[in-house]
Amino acid sequence: EAGVAQSPRYKIIEKRQSVAFWCNPISGHATLYWYQQILGQGPKLLIQFQNNGVVDDSQLPKDRFSAERLKGVDSTLKIQPAKLEDSAVYLCASSLDMYRGAPSYNEQFFGPGTRLTVL
Amino acid sequence: AQSVTQPDIHITVSEGASLELRCNYSYGATPYLFWYVQSPGQGLQLLLKYFSGDTLVQGIKGFEAEFKRSQSSFNLRKPSVHWSDAAEYFCAVEGKSTFGDGTTLTVKP
Repeated sequence: EAGVAQSPRYKIIEKRQSVAFWCNPISGHATLYWYQQILGQGPKLLIQFQNNGVVDDSQLPKDRFSAERLKGVDSTLKIQPAKLEDSAVYLCASSLDMYRGAPSYNEQFFGPGTRLTVL
Repeated sequence: AQSVTQPDIHITVSEGASLELRCNYSYGATPYLFWYVQSPGQGLQLLLKYFSGDTLVQGIKGFEAEFKRSQSSFNLRKPSVHWSDAAEYFCAVEGKSTFGDGTTLTVKP
């Protein structure tokens, strides 16, 4: 079974530029998560999708960050314009279905992440 | 609001020695708890999880964790550490997918 795919793996941009990250979850997984992991910190949830709907985006800086999962499969996270403090690793994860009763459906599988450096 | 605290930022142990990484959580209900490991340049790998039932859970790579409701803790243990265990370890609680800030483990030869 293929894991969670993310691209690119690394990205370097100047501040005020825009950038987009792509994530393809494990086949059949309904729930998709985007996390931001700043150096020295744990991952912070940015947005959570159930199929193509947003479940939680309370920690997403909506003035500059946006995300979509139009067909309920792969997802794109965009930053526009980027700031220096956006330098981080952006992790994507997926789980079977957060709304199923069995907790095992909530188990998250993580991709390798995209390391963003903003200069 | 839920939170996870990992009090130890960095721990160094000798190869073959035992290990305990601490995790304390704050959560309003019975939590789902997880331990993940992250090696340099790698994604997060699930070590073990607690949903309910037996409070001592076994994971991969010889790790185990004990859920103690009275202490709001979920500490990770391993009886004998291997050099390949050197990595960063994260405790997490489900709900808002809240992670601690991690403990970096260094293993001395």
